[in-house]
Amino acid sequence: QSALTQPASVSGSPGQSITISCTGTSSDVGGYNYVSWYQQHPGKAPKLMIYEVSNRPSGVPDRFSGSKSGNTASLTISGLQAEDEADYYCSSYTSSSTVVFGGGTKLTVL
Amino acid sequence: QVQLVQSGAEVKKPGASVKVSCKVSGYTLTELSMHWVRQAPGKGLEWMGGFDPEDGETIYAQKFQGRVTMTEDTSTDTAYMELSSLRSEDTAVYYCATGNGVQFDYWGQGTLVTVSS
Repeated sequence: QSALTQPASVSGSPGQSITISCTGTSSDVGGYNYVSWYQQHPGKAPKLMIYEVSNRPSGVPDRFSGSKSGNTASLTISGLQAEDEADYYCSSYTSSSTVVFGGGTKLTVL
Repeated sequence: QVQLVQSGAEVKKPGASVKVSCKVSGYTLTELSMHWVRQAPGKGLEWMGGFDPEDGETIYAQKFQGRVTMTEDTSTDTAYMELSSLRSEDTAVYYCATGNGVQFDYWGQGTLVTVSS
């Protein structure tokens, strides 16, 4: 199972919006509405930000939103804040009943 | 609220095995689907395997099949991940994580396993 494809890095200024893409195949992202997004700060464990494509766990700001079209899922962060600077990973359930992660995207808040 | 507390850092020689534990509190292990994810230094997250509640079995990533064993002690609500035939590329932080099996709502603090001669 190959890792999902994410851009290595994205950047934006405070207050702006950014979008991170996550491309898979019809056997994972495109085949199931089980895409999740995780935020990871240096030295910390990942934190669930989005589940089932577009749902936010309790406590996650509504500045974070998710969507999917075909084999590509997207995470959008609006109103960027300094504390959003982190690594972001997507993941998907697969047709083999496994889970696959994306390679990760480093978000820099300028 | 689920809390996952993992065992401490380990240093192992190539060819050895390592067993990492993950103690659950707030819920019982039987109520959870426990998974293991690792992260090599400066690299991304890699799913190793976990319990599939659909068929009641543990599924391993193909990459680790034959080398990894995930077990649970329900009497102590502790999950274990044992990785054998260690090589330098297995140096990583190993996380236990749980959710509904397709997303991971709760994560342990991570256990650094260093493989070095």
